[in-house]
Formats: sequence, C-alpha cells, structure tokens
Amino acid sequence: EDQVTQSPEALRLQEGESSSLNCSYTVSGLRGLFWYRQDPGKGPEFLFTLYSAGEEKEKERLKATLTKKESFLHITAPKPEDSATYLCAVKNAGGTSYGKLTFGQGTILTVHP
Amino acid sequence: DAGVTQSPTHLIKTRGQQVTLRCSPKSGHDTVSWYQQALGQGPQFIFQYYEEEERQRGNFPDRFSGHQFPNYSSELNVNALLLGDSALYLCASRSLGGSSYNEQFFGPGTRLTVL
Repeated sequence: EDQVTQSPEALRLQEGESSSLNCSYTVSGLRGLFWYRQDPGKGPEFLFTLYSAGEEKEKERLKATLTKKESFLHITAPKPEDSATYLCAVKNAGGTSYGKLTFGQGTILTVHP
Repeated sequence: DAGVTQSPTHLIKTRGQQVTLRCSPKSGHDTVSWYQQALGQGPQFIFQYYEEEERQRGNFPDRFSGHQFPNYSSELNVNALLLGDSALYLCASRSLGGSSYNEQFFGPGTRLTVL
C-alpha cells in the first residue's frame, strides 16, 4: 500500500527565513509526486508535479526536488502570504491509468512578519 | 477558464439522512475524483469516474456512491450518514489525454456537518 509521510507537522518561520519541508514516500512504481498548497477551508491548489529522481521545479519562492525515497519543498525568503498547509501526494504506476492520489497529512507553515 | 466548481458550499445534516454533493469539472477535463478530508488530515480517495463509470475506488463503504453525467459533471451520494462522515468533500478533475494528464485540479470543497 502506498504511504506518504510529511515532516514537520508544523513549521513557524520569520519572514525571510528559508527552510525546507520533507515528504517521504513508499509506492509500487512512481507515476508522479505532487505538491499542493491549501488555505484554510479551501481546496488544494496545484503547485508542482515531479516524475523522476533528480527532477527539480521552481515557482516564485518555491522549489521542489525529488529523490527515489523523498521530496523536498524548499521555501526561499518566505513571506506571510506563503502561510498555508502544504500537501504532498503520490500516484503509483500500477493498475489502470486513472490512478488515485495518496496524500500525506500535510505541513502547516506559518510565516511571521 | 472556469475551474472546478462544487455545490453546495456548506451542508448540515442529521445522522441517518442522505446527502448529494455536486461537482462540475474544469473545462476540457473528463475524469472526476472525489476525496474526503477530515480536519487536520490529508485528503482520502473515495472513487474516480471516467466515461460515466466508476473506474477506481478507495476504502469507503457502499454507503458512498457516485455518478458521472454525459457532460462530465458528477455527484457524490452518501446514505445513512454517520457523525464520522463530517468532513470537507473535495472534487478533483483531470484530462486523460495530453502531456499533463496526471495533474488533478481541485474544487473549493463542500463542508458537510453531521449532527
């Protein structure tokens, strides 16, 4: 069974203080690893898809990287508006191509001004 | 470009009742998935619909059922509601074709409260 574990559960940063969120996964053949941002009471907002080890993607202050066992979401010089829950999910390559996403429990990021 | 839409926004029901939630996918998308998100948890996969058929199902009882219409919109039905069914219900859509076929886009969710 696919499993995703995110750490830390919560992270408090000062504005401008860079850090990283971790997503460890076990999956029977990775078809994709996904990062989402979720604001309170809203649906997840798509950020990145990573497909293979060594791949990196960037968007503004966020950079996602992937290894064979984990992914990191690096946040450079964060701002208060980056405060949100960040979710990691995987899709396995087995079975049909329809594919469910298996999510971690999320990391709650708070950036103080 | 309209994103994924869901209705209603909020819903309050009592134990034993039945509920229907609705979802319209993002323009150009043909596959709809439903997820349940309890407070403080990540979303849990319920099932996925493509070509009006349930294609994959998560570990949810038969009280959870769904439907997809010819215009790709979808409904989630939950019978015999339990207190534990209180959650944010999320709809996600994607297109099976194209280079970004793995990417799923979520709607704003329906907050269901069971009393």
